[in-house]
Amino acid sequence: EVQLLESGGGLVQPGGSLRLSCATSGFTFSTYALSWVRQAPGKGLEWVSGISGSGDYTYYADSVKGRFTISRDNSKNTLYLQMNSLRAEDTAVYYCAKGGPYSSNWYDDYWGQGTLVTVSS
Amino acid sequence: DIQMTQSPSSVSASVGDRVTITCRASQGISSWLGWYQQKPGKAPKLLIYAASTLQSGVPSRFIGSGSGTDFTLTISSLQPEDFATYYCQQANSFPLTFGGGTKVEIK
Repeated sequence: EVQLLESGGGLVQPGGSLRLSCATSGFTFSTYALSWVRQAPGKGLEWVSGISGSGDYTYYADSVKGRFTISRDNSKNTLYLQMNSLRAEDTAVYYCAKGGPYSSNWYDDYWGQGTLVTVSS
Repeated sequence: DIQMTQSPSSVSASVGDRVTITCRASQGISSWLGWYQQKPGKAPKLLIYAASTLQSGVPSRFIGSGSGTDFTLTISSLQPEDFATYYCQQANSFPLTFGGGTKVEIK
């Protein structure tokens, strides 16, 4: 059974940093692309970042480029999102999601339950 | 960046109704389009990928069509469990982008 479990969310002050983790199981981790998608309270979905199975290729939304860094540890089956220079508008539930094999597609067929990040003083 | 525009933003319908949601891309994306369903407090669920391919386990009443810039999601006979918010997402180029969502409500 495929499972994704996010952790690391919480309350952080503007300008602060936070690192999200997504522990996975049930699939050959290094084979699949992964993404982070967020949802601000009462708002729609926003794709944040994606990474290829090998970790060689990373992609970002314009809104987070230069502030967020996606990475993965294929030995630990874990995805990460390092978030720096956080702003109030980064407040959201952050989901990790599994894409297609060998970056063949970026449709997310499995999702975690989400972790809430609140940026406030 | 490719902008995805969904319409309507909300629709009221009854059980058994046929519901159609449209999604327009700001530039051609071939068939690189997915549709997701999200219920309150839950993670999104992939319904359709590649514009018209039903994800495993998804009921056949969900029908996707279109290519290029114009796409539709049709629910052929609305069921009680289908009341939710639906999002399209283009997977043609980075950054990936979602439409604004369509909330399907009970009439």
